Amino acid sequence: GAVVSQHPSWVICKSGTSVKIECRSLDFQATTMFWYRQFPKQSLMLMATSNEGSKATYEQGVEKDKFLINHASLTLSTLTVTSAHPEDSSFYICSAIVPYRTSRGREGRNEQFFGPGTRLTVL
Amino acid sequence: KQEVTQIPAALSVPEGENLVLNCSFTDSAIYNLQWFRQDPGKGLTSLLLIQSSQREQTSGRLNASLDKSSGRSTLYIAASQPGDSATYLCAVYNTNAGKSTFGDGTTLTVKP
Repeated sequence: GAVVSQHPSWVICKSGTSVKIECRSLDFQATTMFWYRQFPKQSLMLMATSNEGSKATYEQGVEKDKFLINHASLTLSTLTVTSAHPEDSSFYICSAIVPYRTSRGREGRNEQFFGPGTRLTVL
Repeated sequence: KQEVTQIPAALSVPEGENLVLNCSFTDSAIYNLQWFRQDPGKGLTSLLLIQSSQREQTSGRLNASLDKSSGRSTLYIAASQPGDSATYLCAVYNTNAGKSTFGDGTTLTVKP
């Protein structure tokens, strides 16, 4: 399947600092990527949809000024947690959709592939 | 608003048993449904993808079915192994919403 990477895999920071997380599609171009947050023993909560070349679409209750998303190219989306606080500590996961037009033998599947996640701990 | 429910929340079986995980969704206007596996502290691994026009997909010991009209999907695992122990998540993708909605998952423990 398609490969999505995330960097860093884990990060520990002090309260008040900003943290940037990268999400890359390694072997395909992704016009759409998604950012999720997962708290312990809970399911994934969609934070925002990242669209290449346009502003991200945020889910209700997610502060766009706190969670800055930049989809700078067809293979890279970044999530910046600004002025992080301990309650922002969580597992952040990105995903990318295998686009319909590039087929790869799976035309029309619109399958999501996930990155390995980034564990953020804010002290 | 799409809601996805997974039953049971947790399941413990002895090795070798066949088992079924259930996923139900409220809005049947889906584009596809995907089953994932998540190991503790890890990302998600895609297991099976069923398009809305399909009724089932198979991969090895896994078989997923989809009944879109009733809003249900099942994941069947044959001859379970301890390595199958993980949390299984289903997600439905709605084209009109342009996003997926996840269930809370079923945590499976297969005892040797």
